[in-house]
Amino acid sequence: AQSVTQLDSHVSVSEGTPVLLRCNYSSSYSPSLFWYVQHPNKGLQLLLKYTSAATLVKGINGFEAEFKKSETSFHLTKPSAHMSDAAEYFCVVSEKTGANNLFFGTGTRLTVIP
Amino acid sequence: ETGVTQSPTHLIKTRGQQVTLRCSSQSGHNTVSWYQQALGQGPQFIFQYYREEENGRGNFPPRFSGLQFPNYSSELNVNALELDDSALYLCASSLAGLAGGFETQYFGPGTRLLVL
Repeated sequence: AQSVTQLDSHVSVSEGTPVLLRCNYSSSYSPSLFWYVQHPNKGLQLLLKYTSAATLVKGINGFEAEFKKSETSFHLTKPSAHMSDAAEYFCVVSEKTGANNLFFGTGTRLTVIP
Repeated sequence: ETGVTQSPTHLIKTRGQQVTLRCSSQSGHNTVSWYQQALGQGPQFIFQYYREEENGRGNFPPRFSGLQFPNYSSELNVNALELDDSALYLCASSLAGLAGGFETQYFGPGTRLLVL
């Protein structure tokens, strides 16, 4: 069975400082992992995805994530936060079997302080 | 914008009523998934439709049902609405590959349902 744990419900950073959003996963099979972002009153936007190619994945808007199988982690990072990064971020796991449904974490709300 | 559209954007119903939500998938996509996102929670998988048939279901009762049409658009129907059904309902479309795998899911903006 798959599951995702987002270790922080809320992260607050100053504009221009690094962002780290932590995610641990559990999966019985070879997983696909994703990060989605949700801005207020908007739908979910895909930031990046890992599907067993390179372990360091680059996404949109300067975000990247590293798949570490030994640590079952898929943390999201960005070198320098921008005000527009303030949003809810979801770590998501999907197994490459069956209906390919997505299992979402509970989300991390990122606040960026001017 | 993903090209996935949902209607209506907002809806208010009373307990016991029935509701139908609609989703148009992104051009070229043949698979539609539905998710329920309660306030302050991550989305939860309801079910997925592929080639007009249900292709997997989450932990939701039978009063949640769906359809997929030949043009790959989809409907989510909820009967006997309960107060706890109040949520944002998200539709996502994707393309099933020749090997049977499914590509990335792209989400619509959602329908916010309030049950009074």
